[in-house]
Amino acid sequence: DSGVTQTPKHLITATGQRVTLRCSPRSGDLSVYWYQQSLDQGLQFLIQYYNGEERAKGNILERFSAQQFPDLHSELNLSSLELGDSALYFCASSAPKRAAGAGELFFGEGSRLTVL
Amino acid sequence: KNEVEQSPQNLTAQEGEFITINCSYSVGISALHWLQQHPGGGIVSLFMLSSGKKKHGRLIATINIQEKHSSLHITASHPRDSAVYICAVLGTGNQFYFGTGTSLTVIP
Repeated sequence: DSGVTQTPKHLITATGQRVTLRCSPRSGDLSVYWYQQSLDQGLQFLIQYYNGEERAKGNILERFSAQQFPDLHSELNLSSLELGDSALYFCASSAPKRAAGAGELFFGEGSRLTVL
Repeated sequence: KNEVEQSPQNLTAQEGEFITINCSYSVGISALHWLQQHPGGGIVSLFMLSSGKKKHGRLIATINIQEKHSSLHITASHPRDSAVYICAVLGTGNQFYFGTGTSLTVIP
């Protein structure tokens, strides 16, 4: 058990809909990362938050947004869903050695999104 | 353009063999991670490196910053090592770049 909790584990929805994925980091970890893993593109970095602030942005679509709340949990919002958004979405947290810097990653079990 | 290249893509080994997975990257990095993903999807971080070498049990990871290259070694491989191994680099801009993974199968 990594200590990172993601909900829901599985989600099936239709094109055009909107979903919210939730991540609770390990106790004390300030950084939260979101990743997408699809069959054709592998793992991709979406976005990082550190202590409530956006710290780094990767290949995140404009239809997607995220935030980190004062209690440090994070939500990833996916809207106007398309078939190609079907993927595993992972959250990871870390306790950086310096502010928002490199630290060991602890992954949640992922949320599997299927868009029909 | 792939910022991170891994090789081999697939690897089959007999139990007990010494295994090496290679990772080359083209960006400036703050750290390099080796990840393990078992069937069923969960990801575990094996190592985080910024220089030198680390060892954990039968696993050894090395990094050469000048050559922009890292290797993951598994000594005395075992069927439970069967998994996908992913190299991930944290760029100096705090962005992550991932290799496509190496699928390892260890046969008893």
